Amino acid sequence: DIQMTQSPSSLSASVGDRVTITCRASQSIRNYLNWYQQKPGKAPKLLIYLASSLQSGIPSRFSGSGSATYFTLTISSLQPEDFATYYCQQSYSTPFTFGPGTKVGIK
Amino acid sequence: QVTLKESGPVLVKPTETLTLTCTVSGFSLSARVGVTWIRQPPGKALEWLAHIFSNDEKSYTTSLKSRLAISQDTSKSQVVLTMTNMDPVDTATYYCARILEDGDCFDYWGQGTLVTVSS
Repeated sequence: DIQMTQSPSSLSASVGDRVTITCRASQSIRNYLNWYQQKPGKAPKLLIYLASSLQSGIPSRFSGSGSATYFTLTISSLQPEDFATYYCQQSYSTPFTFGPGTKVGIK
Repeated sequence: QVTLKESGPVLVKPTETLTLTCTVSGFSLSARVGVTWIRQPPGKALEWLAHIFSNDEKSYTTSLKSRLAISQDTSKSQVVLTMTNMDPVDTATYYCARILEDGDCFDYWGQGTLVTVSS
C-alpha cells in the first residue's frame, strides 16, 4: 500500500497569512493526488484534484502543485472560513490512502 | 442536484455484521462514476474502505478486505456496504461519496453516519 504523510500535523496562522501544507507519498503517484478540507462535524470537501486542478466552486486562493512523491497545498491569503483540517489522498492505485491530516488553527 | 445519504444502525454489538446503505440521487452509477465508502474514527483521520462502479468493478482496502463486501442495486440507486465481525475499534463515522474515474477523486459526500460498536 502507498503511505501518505503530511507536514506539519498542525499549524497556527492569522487571517491573511500564506499557508503551505506538504504531502509526501511513499512511492511515485505521478499527479494522482487530491486535497480535501474538513470542518468539525462535517463531511470533507474536495478542493484540488489531480494535484493542481481546482474543483468547481472552490476559491482561487487555494492552489495545489507537485508530482511524483512531493505535493503542496497553498492558501494564498487565509480567510476565517479556512480554519479546518486538510487531508491529501492518493488515487494512483488501490487501496486509496489518505494522509493523517493537517489542522489549521487560529493564531 | 447530486446527493448521497447514508443509512444504517447507529449501534451494533461486537461480532455482529454491519450493513450500511448509500442512497444516491442526481446521478447514476456508470463505468466512470461510482460510489466509495470512507470512515473516520472519532478524532482520527479518514480511511478509505471500498468502491464500486456500474460495471461491477470493486476494490477494497487491504486490512479489511476479508470483512468487507460492496454491492449495488441500480433499480433503487443504492450501494450497500457490509462489514462482518464488528469490533469496538470499528466505531466511526461512515461516509459514502461519489467517485469520478477521472482522477479517482471524491467530489460529493454524504453527511456521514456514526456507528458505535458496543455490547
